[in-house]
Amino acid sequence: AQTVTQSQPEMSVQEAETVTLSCTYDTSENNYYLFWYKQPPSRQMILVIRQEAYKQQNATENRFSVNFQKAAKSFSLKISDSQLGDTAMYFCAFMARRNTPLVFGKGTRLSVIA
Amino acid sequence: GAVVSQHPSRVICKSGTSVKIECRSLDFQATTMFWYRQFPKQSLMLMATSNEGSKATYEQGVEKDKFLINHASLTLSTLTVTSAHPEDSSFYICSARQSTGQKTTGANVLTFGAGSRLTVL
Repeated sequence: AQTVTQSQPEMSVQEAETVTLSCTYDTSENNYYLFWYKQPPSRQMILVIRQEAYKQQNATENRFSVNFQKAAKSFSLKISDSQLGDTAMYFCAFMARRNTPLVFGKGTRLSVIA
Repeated sequence: GAVVSQHPSRVICKSGTSVKIECRSLDFQATTMFWYRQFPKQSLMLMATSNEGSKATYEQGVEKDKFLINHASLTLSTLTVTSAHPEDSSFYICSARQSTGQKTTGANVLTFGAGSRLTVL
């Protein structure tokens, strides 16, 4: 079974600064998908960024980028120029194959401080 | 983009009653939907996989007679909490993946409903 580990329960960052959230996972699969989801106080799950394991290039979405290290099974999220609206729970998630459910980490609560 | 509507967003019921939560894909078809449960300040835990036209697949430890899942059409899955008790109070979230006609860039992305907060008195 796949597992996802987020070792940072809480983090804080000053507005406009950069923060990195850690995620590691365990799997025997070779092809899979990784995601970062954001859950603000409204509790709506919002996709932040995704990465296919067969792609070596790290995914980027505006201020959000990942550092995907397949051999180390690591998938960290970097948020640049942090904004107050980035305050939320961030979940790292793993998907083995299409039509399989997401497996979530325990989450990291990020607070952006003005 | 793909939208999943979940209803009701909040429900309060008395112990012993049953509550139905609907999850509807508004602009796409979903042969598979997933139901998650989230306790306060915790992660999402998969309860079951809902398959259109067939029985749901439940995760270990989830009582199928307590949490009835029906996926009667390609756009609707329902979760019924039967004979609810206070320990069933939780946040329930559904998610769906577009079945056909999905653009490559959206492949394997789950769209989540806004969630349903159930409080059992």
